[in-house]
Formats: sequence, C-alpha cells, structure tokens
Amino acid sequence: GAGVSQTPSNKVTEKGKYVELRCDPISGHTALYWYRQSLGQGPEFLIYFQGTGAADDSGLPNDRFFAVRPEGSVSTLKIQRTERGDSAVYLCASSTTGLNTEAFFGQGTRLTVV
Amino acid sequence: AQSVTQLDSHVSVSEGTPVLLRCNYSSSYSPSLFWYVQHPNKGLQLLLKYTSAATLVKGINGFEAEFKKSETSFHLTKPSAHMSDAAEYFCVVISSASKIIFGSGTRLSIRP
Repeated sequence: GAGVSQTPSNKVTEKGKYVELRCDPISGHTALYWYRQSLGQGPEFLIYFQGTGAADDSGLPNDRFFAVRPEGSVSTLKIQRTERGDSAVYLCASSTTGLNTEAFFGQGTRLTVV
Repeated sequence: AQSVTQLDSHVSVSEGTPVLLRCNYSSSYSPSLFWYVQHPNKGLQLLLKYTSAATLVKGINGFEAEFKKSETSFHLTKPSAHMSDAAEYFCVVISSASKIIFGSGTRLSIRP
C-alpha cells in the first residue's frame, strides 16, 4: 500500500489476555517505530527497529511488552497479560534512514483493556 | 541529548487571526526538526520539516516555521487561522540515534 498500515484499527480485550498488534510499513523503509499515545498525551516512544534488529527498545515499559520484525518489513507488537493501564492508541511509523527524513505514521490501533 | 519543548499546552485564537505555536529545541548539532498535526481521531500528518537548506520553511495549509539557531527555536506560524486548523500540533526532533522525540503537544482551538 501507499502508507503505513496498522491492524486491527480497534481491539478490545479482557484484562490478562495476550494481544498482537501489526504494522505494515511503507515498502523499502528500513526504520520502523512504535509509539503509545494515551488520551490527551503526546506519543510516547516504545521501540525503534533498523532493519530486523531493535536499535532502541528503551521505551518498552516492562517485560510484558515485546516487538519483532523478523524480515525487516512487517512488525508485531506483543503485549502479554494485558492490564487496564495498557489501554491507549498504539502508533507505528516508518522512514528511510538518514537525517531530515520524515517518518510516516499509521492511523494507529486503539487498544482497550476491560 | 536532543529534546523539544512546546511552551504552550493550549492556544486559542479567533478565526482569521494569526497563529503562533512555540517550540524550543535542545541539540548539540544541527537538528532535524519537524511539525506534525493530529486532527481528532486521525493519524499524525507532517506539516513541514527543517532541512538546513533554508531557515524559513513553508509547509502545507499555509503554515510555516522559522529555524532560529540563536534562540534555539522553531516556532510554527500561520497568518490567518481557519476553523479547520483546530487540532493538536507536535514539534518533533530526530535524535542522533534516529529516535523520533515528540514535544508534549499544543492544542489549537479556533474561535468563530
């Protein structure tokens, strides 16, 4: 597709369940980012991939959160034992490598933990 | 370390009047700076970016921003606000490690 695609657009899950959020970046973009945005807040950095490897995962809040990008394209954000505090919009972005290159954002996945 | 500070959490202007959204940056080298806009329940859209080719950067929808190294600022302006400009605006810097760093955001309200 032409842009960054995130699926599902909405996800409601019960507390304690496992969820996976998917991001399809723009073709050819080597950098991929995950952010979390709570209501009324700015996006909060979670993890950044360069190719297949996580270049910076310092934003993952705890070991319940994990992300993979096995072939350097699609990425999956995985959340185990979900908690109500995990409810937020999860944003994915991709970009080419280099300074002054803007990131393109998907529409996000709205996760609600009940 | 690179960072951005948005000085106003909320700005309210009347339709047809100028808009000024303030952003200060911190960087030890020439930064990569951007402004993004987020309309309610919509994704983040790039408004403009600073590439060091020119200090005055023109973006979409009549917005522009001026990079001032002496003031470490990258304020966003528009001569005449339109109702459709009501949204959340984020100043963004790309760190040397390619991390996208967001400001806290400024909510722009437009009064009829």
